[in-house]
Amino acid sequence: ETGVTQTPRHLVMGMTNKKSLKCEQHLGHNAMYWYKQSAKKPLELMFVYSLEERVENNSVPSRFSPECPNSSHLFLHLHTLQPEDSALYLCASSQDLGNTGELFFGEGSRLTVL
Amino acid sequence: LAKTTQPISMDSYEGQEVNITCSHNNIATNDYITWYQQFPSQGPRFIIQGYKTKVTNEVASLFIPADRKSSTLSLPRVSLSDTAVYYCLVGKPGGSYIPTFGRGTSLIVHP
Repeated sequence: ETGVTQTPRHLVMGMTNKKSLKCEQHLGHNAMYWYKQSAKKPLELMFVYSLEERVENNSVPSRFSPECPNSSHLFLHLHTLQPEDSALYLCASSQDLGNTGELFFGEGSRLTVL
Repeated sequence: LAKTTQPISMDSYEGQEVNITCSHNNIATNDYITWYQQFPSQGPRFIIQGYKTKVTNEVASLFIPADRKSSTLSLPRVSLSDTAVYYCLVGKPGGSYIPTFGRGTSLIVHP
């Protein structure tokens, strides 16, 4: 238990579906992150939020839409995805942005796009 | 941002000590070195962090030579459950630092 909870753990969706991934942290952290990990590839940073403001959008296609309504919650809205978007999506948090201290990761949401 | 280089994979046997070295030749003065462990289908987990010399905790030791151009993660007496990918990250405190992961080192521990 890392203090970061992701739901759902597994998701299967068609290319025309709209779904959302949810991340919640109970650590009182101010920075939250979305990473994508495809099979046999390194983690790719997607988005970074600090105090509910997006500070990094790492050239992510618009079919991925993040939302950070408060410092404890982070969403990733998905629409018209492609099969190559199938991956493990990981949420993480840290005390503050720019703090080299520990990143706390959730267990991930395994997404399969048919 | 300091670039890191690690071996792609390593093999070991239960009970052995494993040392994974990370090269970071262009490390900056204020950069810290952080190691994470990732099991399949899980998020990475922080193992240890250091700035210079030696740091030890209940899981591992981190050795950093005086020039800081490399670091070595040492896992004592590994078990099968230490089979994982190990990542070395380098970065300095500050508003622009965002943790970036490379390919890491895939460690396989054999019986």
